[in-house]
Amino acid sequence: NAGVTQTPKFQVLKTGQSMTLQCAQDMNHEYMSWYRQDPGMGLRLIHYSVGAGITDQGEVPNGYNVSRSTTEDFPLRLLSAAPSQTSVYFCASRASQGAFYEQYFGPGTRLTVT
Amino acid sequence: EDQVTQSPEALRLQEGESSSLNCSYTVSGLRGLFWYRQDPGKGPEFLFTLYSAGEEKEKERLKATLTKKESFLHITAPKPEDSATYLCAVQAGGSNYKLTFGKGTLLTVNP
Repeated sequence: NAGVTQTPKFQVLKTGQSMTLQCAQDMNHEYMSWYRQDPGMGLRLIHYSVGAGITDQGEVPNGYNVSRSTTEDFPLRLLSAAPSQTSVYFCASRASQGAFYEQYFGPGTRLTVT
Repeated sequence: EDQVTQSPEALRLQEGESSSLNCSYTVSGLRGLFWYRQDPGKGPEFLFTLYSAGEEKEKERLKATLTKKESFLHITAPKPEDSATYLCAVQAGGSNYKLTFGKGTLLTVNP
């Protein structure tokens, strides 16, 4: 099992550009989510999905879009990048039941918006 | 609003010097409290889940405990490889998924 994978690992964007951060998991987990991590702040939930075709907003959803067409993939789209979106982005997944709610995180994407 | 406060922000220990990290929380009906370890440039790695006051879990040199207001991560005889940021998170009873994270404690263990 590869677990949770994310691409790219690093990305630099100019203000106003759009891009998609990719996330995939091979554990057949129903729950997937996106977090951002900024210095001096805890991980903050952006969007999450409880299954294919079902998504919902987290704590900081503005400026981001998600979709979940398959169980395996959960891409995060930045519609028009802003410097405030400079951050490290983590994708995570877990099974919907059991496994003591253990959540697996990907390695992260470090995004810089200039 | 759910809140998680971790202390200290940073802790420097000598190898073999035991200590504890604190995670205090305010949540409406705790469903679970989680501890993660995060190494620089990597994603958080799951360590423990605690569900009810009085519960304890151990893994190698780490032991997590839970009360109604806080959790402790005890590190016994730490080694340099235990150096990392330790994150605490809570899941409220009304949430089927959302975790609220603390800012973490950066632990450095010197040889």
